[in-house]
Amino acid sequence: GENVEQHPSTLSVQEGDSAVIKCTYSDSASNYFPWYKQELGKRPQLIIDIRSNVGEKKDQRIAVTLNKTAKHFSLHITETQPEDSAVYFCAALRYQGAQKLVFGQGTRLTINP
Amino acid sequence: NAGVTQTPKFQVLKTGQSMTLQCAQDMNHEYMSWYRQDPGMGLRLIHYSVGAGITDQGEVPNGYNVSRSTTEDFPLRLLSAAPSQTSVYFCASSYRGGYTFGSGTRLTVV
Repeated sequence: GENVEQHPSTLSVQEGDSAVIKCTYSDSASNYFPWYKQELGKRPQLIIDIRSNVGEKKDQRIAVTLNKTAKHFSLHITETQPEDSAVYFCAALRYQGAQKLVFGQGTRLTINP
Repeated sequence: NAGVTQTPKFQVLKTGQSMTLQCAQDMNHEYMSWYRQDPGMGLRLIHYSVGAGITDQGEVPNGYNVSRSTTEDFPLRLLSAAPSQTSVYFCASSYRGGYTFGSGTRLTVV
């Protein structure tokens, strides 16, 4: 089955700097890669996603890149703000079949003022 | 739309007790899943369903049962609670990949 590895497990950046979180996946048939943000005590919330026919997607300060050949994808947050502090999860899914969503282990991002 | 609704929000059980965690969605989503989240760990898939009447096991199914008699409801049953099942449980539903999560049930087994 699919296995998703996520790095780093913790990340601390200065406010205004950029943050990058990286994930690798094992199943070459996976074709949908969402990113979730989870604030303390809250539910995971989808912040951006990318499909395998696209190499990059941007939404304001966040962007996701996908390298299908290397089977890795990354989340980029620019001009970080205190409200970006949270745990971020990457995930992978294959549309064909059961659409099981498999998560990485999470990255705790802390933005220092 | 209420989205994905989970009840209860909090529950304390004694070892050996059984209970059902409720999950309902009003978005007519085919796909539904149950995850557990332990401190410092990610979200691990317990069971999932691809439609009414169809369920399957995820990576950590032992000690849990599910059923899906309707599109809307996907209850999770703990057969005989153990302290190792202390966790936060999330239900999620999806139409095409973008899963929406419920607010979670925080379960403590003493």
